[in-house]
Amino acid sequence: IAGITQAPTSQILAAGRRMTLRCTQDMRHNAMYWYRQDLGLGLRLIHYSNTAGTTGKGEVPDGYSVSRANTDDFPLTLASAVPSQTSVYFCASSPGTGSYNEQFFGPGTRLTVL
Amino acid sequence: GQNIDQPTEMTATEGAIVQINCTYQTSGFNGLFWYQQHAGEAPTFLSYNVLDGLEEKGRFSSFLSRSKGYSYLLLKELQMKDSASYLCAPMDSNYQLIWGAGTKLIIKP
Repeated sequence: IAGITQAPTSQILAAGRRMTLRCTQDMRHNAMYWYRQDLGLGLRLIHYSNTAGTTGKGEVPDGYSVSRANTDDFPLTLASAVPSQTSVYFCASSPGTGSYNEQFFGPGTRLTVL
Repeated sequence: GQNIDQPTEMTATEGAIVQINCTYQTSGFNGLFWYQQHAGEAPTFLSYNVLDGLEEKGRFSSFLSRSKGYSYLLLKELQMKDSASYLCAPMDSNYQLIWGAGTKLIIKP
């Protein structure tokens, strides 16, 4: 693994189904983030984790949950998917949480909820 | 509230110079990032400014005026590969990035 990876690359999901998007980084970064990106809108923060064992809510957390059991992994779960959750999801990580902590992004997961 | 304003789209010619402006209003300020995002790909870091003035990095430069809530990204000697979206993202008092919708830059030969 080099950097930050996400799986799956893309997924089509029936409404009401449960889905977990996976994110793994090998940079030993303390902070991790989940964003969604929709056409015409900026990246919107869903949830974040400043360090293993802690999580926080971002701008658009409803319908999503996260866990941070260890430094490397930060999965995002949609408990019961709805069509409005159709989006491109990016996971990111940064060494810390202070100023000048560049965020490194995974390749993204394109999710379609029908 | 927090707000980022940047042009939706700009067009420039290969070899020319282009300036992409960004104005912002945030709750507190801990610096401003510029990212590049090619279509279908992830954002990648370009620059960071926390003090007023110009930061130069090769063909790319970024300027910040904290008192005006204003930044710009300057791209020189444009190449076709510079066709991408450019995202302005100030960092607020909670050290969270607030992302603009991005400026799509189209380079013509």
